[in-house]
Amino acid sequence: GAGVSQSPRYKVAKRGQDVALRCDPISGHVSLFWYQQALGQGPEFLTYFQNEAQLDKSGLPSDRFFAERPEGSVSTLKIQRTQQEDSAVYLCASSNGWGYTFGSGTRLTVV
Amino acid sequence: AQTVTQSQPEMSVQEAETVTLSCTYDTSESNYYLFWYKQPPSRQMILVIRQEAYKQQNATENRFSVNFQKAAKSFSLKISDSQLGDTAMYFCAFGAGSYQLTFGKGTKLSVIP
Repeated sequence: GAGVSQSPRYKVAKRGQDVALRCDPISGHVSLFWYQQALGQGPEFLTYFQNEAQLDKSGLPSDRFFAERPEGSVSTLKIQRTQQEDSAVYLCASSNGWGYTFGSGTRLTVV
Repeated sequence: AQTVTQSQPEMSVQEAETVTLSCTYDTSESNYYLFWYKQPPSRQMILVIRQEAYKQQNATENRFSVNFQKAAKSFSLKISDSQLGDTAMYFCAFGAGSYQLTFGKGTKLSVIP
């Protein structure tokens, strides 16, 4: 597609619920990134894929967070047993080299 | 590890005036990129301007220009002829190596009619 598409745009989850956030990158972009943006803060790196390989997951805050990109295209960020501190905007970006394109993010609110 | 500092949480500017947003960074890398991103309420991060560290010439994109001082590790953004549509959060970001970006905490810019 023309841009990076993320869904859902908003998600409200009850504490303890599992959620799955989807990212559809620009066709042909090799690299895909997930960032977490807390309210009033800059985005913070979560994880990085090159095609289907997850090359860096050092930013994932706990083992409740899991990301996959099985066919090197669409990616899913899964959060198990959500906690209030997981409330944030989750941004996805795809790139070839340093030409990043971001999606509009998913705002997750855990209640 | 890299750090990016934006010391101005909020700024305002009159329409048609010029404003400068500050950014400093810390790194031991010799090859890197610096970016300014704009984030309007729609939440999408939009690239404003990019600077390669090995280039001495400051990058310019229409009304947007940077003052890149490598020795001082400073990377400020100047917006000329400010427009109402420039109202947004502005983030300075650093990138090197594996392509992940390190962002500052942002500056909220308001353009006043």
